This record gives sequence, C-alpha cells and structure tokens, in this order.
Amino acid sequence: QVQLQESGPGLVKPSETLSLTCPVSGYSISSGYFWGWIRQPPGKGLEWIGSIYQSGSTYYSSSLKSRVTISVDTSKNQFSLKLTSVTAADTAFYYCARQRGHQLVDYWGQGILVTVSS
Amino acid sequence: QSALIQPPSASGSPGQSVTISCTGTSSDVGGYNYVSWYQQHPGKAPKLIIFEVNKWPSGVPDRFSGSKSGNTASLTVSGLRAEDEADYYCSSYGGSNNLVFGGGTKLTVL
Repeated sequence: QVQLQESGPGLVKPSETLSLTCPVSGYSISSGYFWGWIRQPPGKGLEWIGSIYQSGSTYYSSSLKSRVTISVDTSKNQFSLKLTSVTAADTAFYYCARQRGHQLVDYWGQGILVTVSS
Repeated sequence: QSALIQPPSASGSPGQSVTISCTGTSSDVGGYNYVSWYQQHPGKAPKLIIFEVNKWPSGVPDRFSGSKSGNTASLTVSGLRAEDEADYYCSSYGGSNNLVFGGGTKLTVL
C-alpha cells in the first residue's frame, strides 16, 4: 500500500519560504509515476500546485510557477515543495500525492495545514 | 488554467439518486477522456472514486457512476446513503501537463 506523509512547519511568516517534504513508503519513487503537490485553503476547493517525475522533470501550475520549486530525493524516497514569498493567501492544507501522469491522483497524503502569519 | 465549474451544493434523500455536474472547456473536460471524481469527508484527504470519465478504482461501489457530454462531465450517486454526505471534486487533464480541479460540491443527504 502506497503511503505518503507531509512534514514541515505549520506556521510560516509572510514573505518567507514554505518548505514541505513528503516521504513515500510502499512504493519506490524511482519506479515511475508523477509525484505532486495540491493545496486546499480552509473551506475552499483544491488547487494543483505542480509535480515531478522520477527523472527530475518538473511541471508547475502557471499561476504559481514563479514561486514554486519541487524536487525529488530518490535515495530517501521522498520529494519536496518550496514556495517562496508567501502571503496569507497561501494559507492552506497542503497535500502530497501520487499522480498517474497529469490525469488523476490515486494516492494522497493526509494533508498538513500551513498558516502564513506573523 | 481556470477551475472547472461545479454547483456549490446538491442534496437528496436516502435511496434517491443525485447528479453533480462539472463544466470545463474544450481544452480540458471536452478535449480528453481524463475526468476524475474525488470524495472528501470533513478533515480527511480526498479519495478517488471515478477515473477516465466512468471507471471505478478497486473497492469503490458501482452506486457511483460517471459520464461526459461535450465540455460537461457528471457524477451520479445512486441509492444515496448517509455516508455519501461529503464534498465531491472533479478534475481533468488540462493539456500541457496541467491538472485542473473543480471548485467542489457539498452533497447533503437529507
């Protein structure tokens, strides 16, 4: 069974960088699939942030592209998200996930609430 | 890439059927058979219940069914049960390696 678990600070100050990591168990990232990040502001809908393939190729939402970096560490079987220059509008539950291409998400982490506040 | 359009709410009584729509454009929903649906209970992560318009992942009951016509996809929940009360989100491949989600529909079982 594929399991993902987001980790990182739950509180980030405005203008700083949000950093999250997602260790994966039950499946080797090197074996394939895309690995993505999705966020959900409290009480609102889902927004795809971006994804990375095992090769390191990255794909980002056009609305966040200038501030997002997704990376992968196959030796630790985990991938990471960095979002720079955060504002209150970036407050959300952040989910890491396994994607089948960019067609669907078949496994989700439990989500982590990141609040942007001074 | 704009979000797909879903009605904010839907409702039905136990045993009834309810249909939720998901409207996009010819660049996403209408252009590909890659529409998926997710169920999200409060405080939980979303769960995939339909993929490629009308296919079921293992373990999902066939009370959930999907369809598509033009730029609009639909999720039908038949034989409504109390446990079906949740938020439902559609997604579609949006072209150019993008994944786009709908705004979500809150399903209430009366």
